[in-house]
Amino acid sequence: NAGVTQTPKFQVLKTGQSMTLQCAQDMNHNSMYWYRQDPGMGLRLIYYSASEGTTDKGEVPNGYNVSRLNKREFSLRLESAAPSQTSVYFCASILPTGHTDTQYFGPGTRLTVL
Amino acid sequence: AQSVTQPDIHITVSEGASLELRCNYSYGATPYLFWYVQSPGQGLQLLLKYFSGDTLVQGIKGFEAEFKRSQSSFNLRKPSVHWSDAAEYFCAVAQGFSGGYNKLIFGAGTRLAVHP
Repeated sequence: NAGVTQTPKFQVLKTGQSMTLQCAQDMNHNSMYWYRQDPGMGLRLIYYSASEGTTDKGEVPNGYNVSRLNKREFSLRLESAAPSQTSVYFCASILPTGHTDTQYFGPGTRLTVL
Repeated sequence: AQSVTQPDIHITVSEGASLELRCNYSYGATPYLFWYVQSPGQGLQLLLKYFSGDTLVQGIKGFEAEFKRSQSSFNLRKPSVHWSDAAEYFCAVAQGFSGGYNKLIFGAGTRLAVHP
């Protein structure tokens, strides 16, 4: 049981390049999330998928797209990377089935856009 | 709108001293509240959570937190800090619904340094 996995761990892009961040969970969770973490700002929600086949915008969705490929996988795409997207990106998942649920986080992807 | 404030950006304590990290939230209804810890270069790990019931919540690694509705606070405490507790700590609030919750709102974090 690997939990939540993310690839790649590190990435450097040039302005205007595109890339996709991959996330997978093996806990049979329904909901998945993408956050970005910037110094002094905590984690901010980019997009989330409450269940397979649905996606919704979070707090900072501009410049990103997502795909909920199946129940296990939720990818984040940067179509034209900008220096403002330099950040650490975390994927998370949750069941949820009741009020005791917890979000489980992946190890993160550190992205630098030059 | 929901929000979370962690007033202390950085705290330094001596090993063995007690610790209290502050968290204030803004939310109209009863919130779901969480504390997460992030060690350098790592993802987030849940320390404890409050959904309902007893307002004093026990978590892992000897941490506890107390929910005070009148003060809109959920402060994290530990009676004796260990050097391994040096990390960044995040408070978060979620809007609940009958099936659980969907979104977490995080505070900016408090970075804890521990002196030997």
